[in-house]
Amino acid sequence: GAGVSQSPRYKVAKRGQDVALRCDPISGHVSLFWYQQALGQGPEFLTYFQNEAQLDKSGLPSDRFFAERPEGSVSTLKIQRTQQEDSAVYLCASSLASGTRNIQYFGAGTRLSVL
Amino acid sequence: GQQVMQIPQYQHVQEGEDFTTYCNSSTTLSNIQWYKQRPGGHPVFLIQLVKSGEVKKQKRLTFQFGEAKKNSSLHITATQTTDVGTYFCAGQGGGSYIPTFGRGTSLIVHP
Repeated sequence: GAGVSQSPRYKVAKRGQDVALRCDPISGHVSLFWYQQALGQGPEFLTYFQNEAQLDKSGLPSDRFFAERPEGSVSTLKIQRTQQEDSAVYLCASSLASGTRNIQYFGAGTRLSVL
Repeated sequence: GQQVMQIPQYQHVQEGEDFTTYCNSSTTLSNIQWYKQRPGGHPVFLIQLVKSGEVKKQKRLTFQFGEAKKNSSLHITATQTTDVGTYFCAGQGGGSYIPTFGRGTSLIVHP
């Protein structure tokens, strides 16, 4: 596809349930970012991949959050034992190259609601 | 760590009025990017500023990067209803790959 694709678009989970969110970046994009966006806030950084290497995971809020990009393309963000405070929109963004000054292309996001 | 503050949080204008949002960083930036997010949508890249004192224009939008590379502004002349959305700045500094987003300014245009 032409853009960054995320699935599912909406996810409702019961507290304690595990969820997996998928991101399919633009083909050939080296860098991939995950963000969490709460209502009325800007995107908050979670983790960054350069190809298959997870170079920065400093934004992951707890050890319940795990991300992977095993073949350097599709990425999955997994949240174990979901809590109500995990409710947010999870955005994925990709950029063509590594390094600074790279334009990020965002997916439509996955809106996670934890009941 | 790096912090990026953005003001105002909300701005209501009548169609045709001008609008400005301001972005301030706690540290010197290597570059700053601006994004627009329509209601229910995702952030879309508008522009990137790299040089000290840089000014760029896109039709009715004017973007500035401060001389000290710690602040930036976006000015929209004669707003239209299509300008409605939240405008975010995102700054990168110190060779970091990770941009820090401001909280955003939500623009509401009344016809």
